[in-house]
Amino acid sequence: EIVMTQSPATLSVSPGERATLSCRASQSVSSNLAWYQQKPGQAPRLLIYGASTRATGIPARFSGSGSGTEFTLTISSLQSEDFAVYYCQQYNNWPPLFGPGTKVDIK
Amino acid sequence: QVTLRESGPALVKPTQTLTLTCTFSGFSLSTSGMCVSWIRQPPGKALEWLARIDWDDDKYYSTSLKTRLTISKDTSKNQVVLTMTNMDPVDTATYYCARINAYFNWFDPWGQGTLVTVSS
Repeated sequence: EIVMTQSPATLSVSPGERATLSCRASQSVSSNLAWYQQKPGQAPRLLIYGASTRATGIPARFSGSGSGTEFTLTISSLQSEDFAVYYCQQYNNWPPLFGPGTKVDIK
Repeated sequence: QVTLRESGPALVKPTQTLTLTCTFSGFSLSTSGMCVSWIRQPPGKALEWLARIDWDDDKYYSTSLKTRLTISKDTSKNQVVLTMTNMDPVDTATYYCARINAYFNWFDPWGQGTLVTVSS
């Protein structure tokens, strides 16, 4: 079974700064990777699918890249509403599998 | 607009069976490609996929929980039901349902979730 890892576990960033989050798969998942944002007390929200396609209504400051085993979510200029936990999810292989998450908090 | 909402007991005792209902609107589970999944999240922990049911009544389960899970649908009521037997305190979690397209296997949108605590 594929293993998903995310780094760092916690990322401390100042508002307006750039945040770069990493997701790694233990074997290739092609571009079949999604990113979700979860705020405290809320359900996850789809941000990115197909490794780089923004979901409907997602601001352009969120971008995804990568393929195979290495993926990146970049938030170009952090807004106050972006402080949250971010999860990646592979859907290339069965079963669908989430990473452990990266918490982005205020520096 | 697609919405999903989970309902069920907030507290169950160890060894009991949990029954959760996902009531949705804005799509039909009789439409080709439409599916609903259940995902759970223990407090402070990551997300774990549990089960999926498809428009054609195909069903899929987490390998580790397969013997304890049953998923079913009532298309006329726009509902999906998940049962989990032999509940244990480690099953304490927020349980989410989410729509998934069989051809694009990401989850969107999600219900608000329902917290289930397993305690005597």
